[in-house]
Amino acid sequence: ETGVTQTPRHLVMGMTNKKSLKCEQHLGHNAMYWYKQSAKKPLELMFVYSLEERVENNSVPSRFSPECPNSSHLFLHLHTLQPEDSALYLCASSQDWASNQPQHFGDGTRLSIL
Amino acid sequence: AQTVTQSQPEMSVQEAETVTLSCTYDTSESDYYLFWYKQPPSRQMILVIRQEAYKQQNATENRFSVNFQKAAKSFSLKISDSQLGDAAMYFCALVTQGTYKYIFGTGTRLKVLA
Repeated sequence: ETGVTQTPRHLVMGMTNKKSLKCEQHLGHNAMYWYKQSAKKPLELMFVYSLEERVENNSVPSRFSPECPNSSHLFLHLHTLQPEDSALYLCASSQDWASNQPQHFGDGTRLSIL
Repeated sequence: AQTVTQSQPEMSVQEAETVTLSCTYDTSESDYYLFWYKQPPSRQMILVIRQEAYKQQNATENRFSVNFQKAAKSFSLKISDSQLGDAAMYFCALVTQGTYKYIFGTGTRLKVLA
Protein backbone atom coordinates (compact mmCIF):
# COMPACT_ATOMS: atom_id res chain seq x y z
CA GLU A 1 0.00 0.00 0.00
CA THR A 2 1.47 3.29 -1.08
CA GLY A 3 1.55 6.37 1.12
CA VAL A 4 1.20 8.55 -1.97
CA THR A 5 -1.86 8.00 -4.16
CA GLN A 6 -2.30 9.42 -7.63
CA THR A 7 -5.42 9.47 -9.78
CA PRO A 8 -6.15 8.75 -12.50
CA ARG A 9 -3.59 6.08 -13.45
CA HIS A 10 -4.11 6.76 -17.13
CA LEU A 11 -5.46 9.79 -18.94
CA VAL A 12 -6.00 10.37 -22.62
CA MET A 13 -7.01 13.84 -23.65
CA GLY A 14 -7.23 16.06 -26.68
CA MET A 15 -5.21 19.23 -26.96
CA THR A 16 -8.22 21.41 -26.22
CA ASN A 17 -9.41 19.53 -23.14
CA LYS A 18 -9.06 20.57 -19.53
CA LYS A 19 -8.30 17.92 -16.94
CA SER A 20 -6.69 17.63 -13.53
CA LEU A 21 -4.29 15.17 -11.95
CA LYS A 22 -4.69 14.47 -8.26
CA CYS A 23 -2.17 13.44 -5.65
CA GLU A 24 -2.79 12.61 -2.00
CA GLN A 25 -0.24 11.68 0.61
CA HIS A 26 -1.04 9.89 3.86
CA LEU A 27 2.40 10.26 5.43
CA GLY A 28 2.06 13.55 7.28
CA HIS A 29 4.70 15.12 5.06
CA ASN A 30 5.10 18.85 4.60
CA ALA A 31 6.50 18.95 1.07
CA MET A 32 4.99 17.71 -2.18
CA TYR A 33 6.41 17.58 -5.69
CA TRP A 34 5.35 17.14 -9.31
CA TYR A 35 7.79 15.45 -11.70
CA LYS A 36 7.55 14.71 -15.41
CA GLN A 37 9.08 11.44 -16.57
CA SER A 38 9.71 11.05 -20.29
CA ALA A 39 11.39 8.11 -21.98
CA LYS A 40 15.20 8.23 -21.92
CA LYS A 41 15.25 11.50 -20.02
CA PRO A 42 15.97 12.22 -16.37
CA LEU A 43 13.04 13.01 -14.17
CA GLU A 44 12.19 16.67 -14.50
CA LEU A 45 11.13 18.52 -11.39
CA MET A 46 8.16 20.72 -12.21
CA PHE A 47 6.83 22.16 -8.96
CA VAL A 48 7.55 22.01 -5.25
CA TYR A 49 5.13 22.91 -2.47
CA SER A 50 6.09 23.30 1.15
CA LEU A 51 3.30 23.73 3.67
CA GLU A 52 0.94 24.59 0.83
CA GLU A 53 3.17 27.32 -0.57
CA ARG A 54 4.88 26.98 -3.93
CA VAL A 55 8.63 27.18 -3.40
CA GLU A 56 9.89 26.00 -6.75
CA ASN A 57 8.66 26.47 -10.29
CA ASN A 58 11.09 25.17 -12.87
CA SER A 59 10.14 27.16 -15.95
CA VAL A 60 7.10 25.04 -16.58
CA PRO A 61 4.70 26.26 -19.31
CA SER A 62 1.59 27.97 -18.03
CA ARG A 63 -0.59 25.24 -19.52
CA PHE A 64 0.37 23.33 -16.34
CA SER A 65 -1.13 24.90 -13.25
CA PRO A 66 -0.51 23.39 -9.80
CA GLU A 67 -2.72 23.74 -6.77
CA CYS A 68 -2.06 22.71 -3.19
CA PRO A 69 -5.16 23.27 -1.05
CA ASN A 70 -3.62 21.60 2.00
CA SER A 71 -0.46 19.72 2.89
CA SER A 72 -2.00 16.36 1.98
CA HIS A 73 -3.33 17.17 -1.48
CA LEU A 74 -1.71 18.37 -4.67
CA PHE A 75 -3.32 18.92 -8.05
CA LEU A 76 -1.97 19.56 -11.50
CA HIS A 77 -4.47 21.30 -13.74
CA LEU A 78 -3.95 20.79 -17.44
CA HIS A 79 -5.25 22.78 -20.39
CA THR A 80 -4.36 23.21 -24.02
CA LEU A 81 -1.60 20.62 -23.81
CA GLN A 82 0.76 19.68 -26.62
CA PRO A 83 1.71 16.22 -27.89
CA GLU A 84 5.17 16.59 -26.30
CA ASP A 85 3.45 16.77 -22.91
CA SER A 86 2.66 13.06 -23.14
CA ALA A 87 4.60 11.47 -20.30
CA LEU A 88 4.33 9.86 -16.89
CA TYR A 89 3.60 12.46 -14.23
CA LEU A 90 4.85 11.51 -10.79
CA CYS A 91 3.88 13.02 -7.50
CA ALA A 92 6.19 12.73 -4.49
CA SER A 93 6.30 13.89 -0.91
CA SER A 94 8.97 14.27 1.74
CA GLN A 95 8.98 15.19 5.38
CA ASP A 96 10.24 18.67 4.66
CA TRP A 97 11.43 20.67 1.71
CA ALA A 98 15.05 21.80 1.72
CA SER A 99 16.17 18.61 3.36
CA ASN A 100 17.94 15.47 2.35
CA GLN A 101 15.03 13.26 3.32
CA PRO A 102 14.02 10.56 0.84
CA GLN A 103 11.07 11.27 -1.34
CA HIS A 104 8.10 8.94 -1.46
CA PHE A 105 6.56 8.56 -4.88
CA GLY A 106 3.11 7.71 -6.16
CA ASP A 107 2.40 5.33 -9.02
CA GLY A 108 2.11 8.16 -11.50
CA THR A 109 -0.44 9.19 -14.11
CA ARG A 110 0.31 8.11 -17.66
CA LEU A 111 -0.84 11.05 -19.79
CA SER A 112 -1.36 10.76 -23.52
CA ILE A 113 -2.18 13.80 -25.62
CA LEU A 114 -3.93 13.12 -28.89
CA ALA B 1 25.66 22.81 -12.47
CA GLN B 2 24.97 19.41 -11.00
CA THR B 3 24.66 16.38 -13.22
CA VAL B 4 24.05 12.69 -12.79
CA THR B 5 25.08 10.24 -15.49
CA GLN B 6 24.03 6.63 -15.85
CA SER B 7 25.90 5.29 -18.83
CA GLN B 8 24.19 1.89 -18.99
CA PRO B 9 20.68 2.16 -20.47
CA GLU B 10 20.11 -1.55 -19.95
CA MET B 11 21.74 -4.40 -18.04
CA SER B 12 20.97 -8.10 -17.69
CA VAL B 13 21.86 -10.48 -14.89
CA GLN B 14 21.23 -14.13 -14.30
CA GLU B 15 19.10 -14.97 -11.29
CA ALA B 16 21.25 -15.45 -8.15
CA GLU B 17 24.20 -13.65 -9.74
CA THR B 18 25.63 -10.24 -8.88
CA VAL B 19 25.31 -7.11 -10.97
CA THR B 20 26.71 -3.61 -10.64
CA LEU B 21 24.97 -0.51 -11.96
CA SER B 22 27.12 2.55 -12.63
CA CYS B 23 26.47 6.15 -11.71
CA THR B 24 28.73 9.16 -11.91
CA TYR B 25 27.89 12.65 -10.81
CA ASP B 26 29.26 16.12 -10.79
CA THR B 27 28.81 18.83 -8.20
CA SER B 28 30.92 21.58 -6.74
CA GLU B 29 29.24 21.16 -3.36
CA SER B 30 31.09 19.31 -0.63
CA ASP B 31 27.97 18.30 1.28
CA TYR B 32 25.48 16.16 -0.58
CA TYR B 33 23.52 12.94 -0.55
CA LEU B 34 23.20 10.20 -3.11
CA PHE B 35 20.29 7.85 -3.62
CA TRP B 36 19.36 4.84 -5.68
CA TYR B 37 15.67 4.49 -6.49
CA LYS B 38 13.98 1.51 -8.08
CA GLN B 39 10.97 1.81 -10.39
CA PRO B 40 9.36 -1.57 -11.16
CA PRO B 41 6.80 -1.99 -13.95
CA SER B 42 4.12 -1.06 -11.42
CA ARG B 43 5.70 2.42 -11.69
CA GLN B 44 6.05 3.37 -8.04
CA MET B 45 9.55 4.66 -7.33
CA ILE B 46 10.98 3.12 -4.20
CA LEU B 47 14.07 4.16 -2.30
CA VAL B 48 16.70 1.41 -2.40
CA ILE B 49 19.65 2.92 -0.62
CA ARG B 50 21.08 6.25 0.46
CA GLN B 51 24.61 7.52 1.07
CA GLU B 52 25.77 10.64 2.85
CA ALA B 53 28.82 12.16 1.16
CA TYR B 54 30.56 12.83 4.48
CA LYS B 55 30.48 9.14 5.38
CA GLN B 56 33.34 7.09 4.02
CA GLN B 57 31.68 3.80 4.80
CA ASN B 58 29.65 2.39 1.95
CA ALA B 59 25.92 2.04 2.64
CA THR B 60 24.41 -1.45 2.67
CA GLU B 61 20.81 -2.62 2.71
CA ASN B 62 20.50 -6.39 2.67
CA ARG B 63 21.45 -7.52 -0.86
CA PHE B 64 22.05 -3.95 -2.03
CA SER B 65 25.31 -2.14 -1.44
CA VAL B 66 27.07 0.83 -2.94
CA ASN B 67 30.64 1.56 -3.93
CA PHE B 68 31.02 5.24 -3.19
CA GLN B 69 34.20 6.77 -4.57
CA LYS B 70 34.03 10.42 -3.62
CA ALA B 71 37.18 11.54 -5.38
CA ALA B 72 36.07 9.91 -8.60
CA LYS B 73 32.48 11.07 -8.10
CA SER B 74 31.24 7.57 -8.63
CA PHE B 75 28.33 5.87 -6.88
CA SER B 76 27.67 2.37 -8.18
CA LEU B 77 25.00 0.00 -6.93
CA LYS B 78 25.75 -3.67 -6.41
CA ILE B 79 22.91 -6.16 -6.24
CA SER B 80 23.91 -9.55 -4.89
CA ASP B 81 21.94 -12.78 -5.31
CA SER B 82 19.69 -11.14 -7.91
CA GLN B 83 16.03 -12.05 -7.80
CA LEU B 84 13.30 -11.82 -10.42
CA GLY B 85 11.69 -9.08 -8.37
CA ASP B 86 14.77 -6.91 -8.82
CA ALA B 87 13.85 -6.33 -12.46
CA ALA B 88 13.10 -2.63 -12.74
CA MET B 89 14.43 0.75 -13.81
CA TYR B 90 17.08 2.00 -11.39
CA PHE B 91 17.66 5.71 -10.99
CA CYS B 92 20.61 7.36 -9.36
CA ALA B 93 19.91 10.74 -7.72
CA LEU B 94 21.93 13.54 -6.16
CA VAL B 95 20.76 16.09 -3.62
CA THR B 96 23.10 18.85 -2.57
CA GLN B 97 22.95 20.66 0.74
CA GLY B 98 22.75 23.97 -1.07
CA THR B 99 19.78 23.48 -3.37
CA TYR B 100 18.04 20.42 -1.92
CA LYS B 101 16.86 19.74 -5.44
CA TYR B 102 16.88 16.14 -6.60
CA ILE B 103 18.90 15.60 -9.79
CA PHE B 104 18.14 12.25 -11.38
CA GLY B 105 20.02 10.21 -13.94
CA THR B 106 18.36 8.75 -17.03
CA GLY B 107 18.02 5.34 -15.46
CA THR B 108 19.26 1.80 -16.10
CA ARG B 109 16.79 -0.92 -16.96
CA LEU B 110 17.75 -4.15 -15.21
CA LYS B 111 16.54 -7.46 -16.58
CA VAL B 112 16.82 -10.56 -14.42
CA LEU B 113 17.01 -13.81 -16.38
CA ALA B 114 15.63 -17.00 -14.88
